[in-house]
Amino acid sequence: AQSVAQPEDQVNVAEGNPLTVKCTYSVSGNPYLFWYVQYPNRGLQFLLKYITGDNLVKGSYGFEAEFNKSQTSFHLKKPSALVSDSALYFCAVRDTGNNRLAFGKGNQVVVIP
Amino acid sequence: NAGVTQTPKFQVLKTGQSMTLQCAQDMNHNSMYWYRQDPGMGLRLIYYSASEGTTDKGEVPNGYNVSRLNKREFSLRLESAAPSQTSVYFCASSVLTSGPYNEQFFGPGTRLTVL
Repeated sequence: AQSVAQPEDQVNVAEGNPLTVKCTYSVSGNPYLFWYVQYPNRGLQFLLKYITGDNLVKGSYGFEAEFNKSQTSFHLKKPSALVSDSALYFCAVRDTGNNRLAFGKGNQVVVIP
Repeated sequence: NAGVTQTPKFQVLKTGQSMTLQCAQDMNHNSMYWYRQDPGMGLRLIYYSASEGTTDKGEVPNGYNVSRLNKREFSLRLESAAPSQTSVYFCASSVLTSGPYNEQFFGPGTRLTVL
């Protein structure tokens, strides 16, 4: 079964500094990888996905993620964090062989003014 | 487009009561999902419906039933609520369950408390 790990519970970063949220995955086949963001009292919003091709994926709100097959990682990045980026971020993976999307436990990002 | 809508937004039940959570999407998506979100555990899939007329169990189906009423609507029923079912419930939809076009779109959630 596929799974993802988000090793940090909370990421604190100063406004204007680079932001990185880590994700590693485990699948038996080729992975489809996703990042979602959840603002307080809201549903999850899709940020970006990796299906195939270029290892650097660009998404919404200035976020990007780098797929690294050898390290089985899909870290989310933003060059310059904003206070409005403070939210809960979820990594998810789907094995191309089945229909289920496995979510990580989420990372709380706090951007300090 | 409203996207994915859920009702109610909040609900408090007593142990043993029943209720149905409603979900509808207006994006003409084939697949729909029910998740529960608990602190520190991410989202766990309860049931999903790959297409109209089909439903399948997810990771945590016990204590729940679902109905795919039509292409737009997918309801989740708790027949006899238990305190362990206190959670935030999210409905989601996607074009398909398989293939690259399966990013899921989520509703705003239902906060359920079972006393």
